Amino acid sequence: KAGVTQTPRYLIKTRGQQVTLSCSPISGHRSVSWYQQTPGQGLQFLFEYFSETQRNKGNFPGRFSGRQFSNSRSEMNVSTLELGDSALYLCASSLAEGSGNTIYFGEGSWLTVV
Amino acid sequence: AQSVTQLGSHVSVSEGALVLLRCNYSSSVPPYLFWYVQYPNQGLQLLLKYTSAATLVKGINGFEAEFKKSETSFHLTKPSAHMSDAAEYFCAVSDPRASSYKLIFGSGTRLLVRP
Repeated sequence: KAGVTQTPRYLIKTRGQQVTLSCSPISGHRSVSWYQQTPGQGLQFLFEYFSETQRNKGNFPGRFSGRQFSNSRSEMNVSTLELGDSALYLCASSLAEGSGNTIYFGEGSWLTVV
Repeated sequence: AQSVTQLGSHVSVSEGALVLLRCNYSSSVPPYLFWYVQYPNQGLQLLLKYTSAATLVKGINGFEAEFKKSETSFHLTKPSAHMSDAAEYFCAVSDPRASSYKLIFGSGTRLLVRP
């Protein structure tokens, strides 16, 4: 079956703009989480959703937001982009809640802010 | 708070040699532990996970890891390295008490395999 699908794969934005990234989880998975990966900070947790509810949020400014739809697809939005937002944004999905469940990652969306 | 330390940002081995990637964790309770691999321009792939069953965990591609509570370690090993193992490896921890599956990652170790 299809894995976690993220779109777009690559994008370039200008400082001050906003961006929306999309994630389609594995069919049947109801949990979706997002991570930011940068050379300097590594992999950092952004937020997690289960059944359209945000369950957990990482230590990121309010410019970073997300949501999950009734079909479990998720989007994250970054407003007023800064150069430091350049990163690989990874979406992951899991069948259910719970920290022991296996989560599966997509290939990510590469965001470059110029 | 939980944390993960991966010793060695780069590890180089010869093809056929033992692979040993080190991971130490800090947690107030025995955590769940994971190893992920990332190939260039790709996402993360789960190699193996420890969720309080057997302390020696076998994963995909011949990798295994042993949970040692006394040493707060979860080192990843493979008896014989293959060129295709060259990638970046991440150790991660989560809180078994949480309904959330938030992962806290180490800084990663890049494995180089010499022919």
